[in-house]
Amino acid sequence: AQTVTQSQPEMSVQEAETVTLSCTYDTSESDYYLFWYKQPPSRQMILVIRQEAYKQQNATENRFSVNFQKAAKSFSLKISDSQLGDAAMYFCARSGSARQLTFGSGTQLTVLP
Amino acid sequence: ETGVTQSPTHLIKTRGQQVTLRCSSQSGHNTVSWYQQALGQGPQFIFQYYREEENGRGNFPPRFSGLQFPNYSSELNVNALELDDSALYLCASSFGDRGPGANVLTFGAGSRLTVL
Repeated sequence: AQTVTQSQPEMSVQEAETVTLSCTYDTSESDYYLFWYKQPPSRQMILVIRQEAYKQQNATENRFSVNFQKAAKSFSLKISDSQLGDAAMYFCARSGSARQLTFGSGTQLTVLP
Repeated sequence: ETGVTQSPTHLIKTRGQQVTLRCSSQSGHNTVSWYQQALGQGPQFIFQYYREEENGRGNFPPRFSGLQFPNYSSELNVNALELDDSALYLCASSFGDRGPGANVLTFGAGSRLTVL
């Protein structure tokens, strides 16, 4: 099975500090996409950031950036200047030729005031 | 632009019953995917519909079935409900079945199903 692994069930960060969430994945495909989604208590899955595997440059969206290590099949999310509104469950996901997303088990992020 | 809307938001059924969940896709999107999210877990892919045809299926039994309508809205039907079917069911829409747009999913807020 081609899996996505998030080894940190819970993380906490002080407001205004930086936190990194880890993700590793397995795939036999050369063309795929990687995603980080945020799921707050409202339940709606919100796309945080997306990375195309063929692009070497790491994606960045404002305070969110990724460290994509293709050979190591690693895709971590860095949140800078953490805000209270960043508190949520974060899911790493991968899609490939099948266009279906395979999700990790999630990391619950708590932001401390 | 309207997002993805799902109904009902919550429902309770008993084992053996049947349930239908509904999803309206985002304006401009023609592909709908359904995911099951058990408590404390990541979503699992059930199936995808593109142009009213099933376009991929995950590891779910045939009692999970779906439809997509000409307006691209969709239904998920589950027959002979089991206790393990209790979960949040998420619908996501996207554009096309290949290319960059196919990978940009917009999710609804889900339907929480409890099976007693």
